[in-house]
Amino acid sequence: KQEVTQIPAALSVPEGENLVLNCSFTDSAIYNLQWFRQDPGKGLTSLLLIQSSQREQTSGRLNASLDKSSGRSTLYIAASQPGDSATYLCAFPRGGGGSNYKLTFGKGTLLTVNP
Amino acid sequence: NAGVMQNPRHLVRRRGQEARLRCSPMKGHSHVYWYRQLPEEGLKFMVYLQKENIIDESGMPKERFSAEFPKEGPSILRIQQVVRGDSAAYFCASSPRDGRPPQHFGDGTRLSIL
Repeated sequence: KQEVTQIPAALSVPEGENLVLNCSFTDSAIYNLQWFRQDPGKGLTSLLLIQSSQREQTSGRLNASLDKSSGRSTLYIAASQPGDSATYLCAFPRGGGGSNYKLTFGKGTLLTVNP
Repeated sequence: NAGVMQNPRHLVRRRGQEARLRCSPMKGHSHVYWYRQLPEEGLKFMVYLQKENIIDESGMPKERFSAEFPKEGPSILRIQQVVRGDSAAYFCASSPRDGRPPQHFGDGTRLSIL
């Protein structure tokens, strides 16, 4: 059974700081991983998708890496802004048998960027 | 360019009533997924549907819960005889015809049981 752990559970930083969010998983046989952000009372916004053959993906100030051998992914946010405040979730589809759609989520990291 | 549309956004029911949650996928998407987020818990997969077919309902409770995605109209998640433990946020996601990621999520329906 795939387990996903996100550390830290909450993080508060001053504006402008670079930061790293961590996600670890127990099963290295994954198809891909997604990083999402969730704003209070809202749904999930997909930020980055990394295929299992890739090591990282970048979008603007965001960079996500994937290390299957160690069971880790990181989300790096450069020059953080108050608008980045949200809960960040990582998710992996359960591998095997073609079931690459059943996303397993961590509980998220609640990020607060203070002006 | 509408995204995944869910309604209602908030739904209040009394114990024993029925709850119906609707989801219209993004244009061009024919794969729909339902997830549930209980308080203080992560999102959990419930069911995966394509038009007129339930592909995987392994995450659905065995009783009182059902889902459909008819040929015409939105996908419906139906909860009969609701209990307090059903209070949660229910999210719908969709993906393109070939089912490949990423999944795009709606804003969810917050279900409260009195």
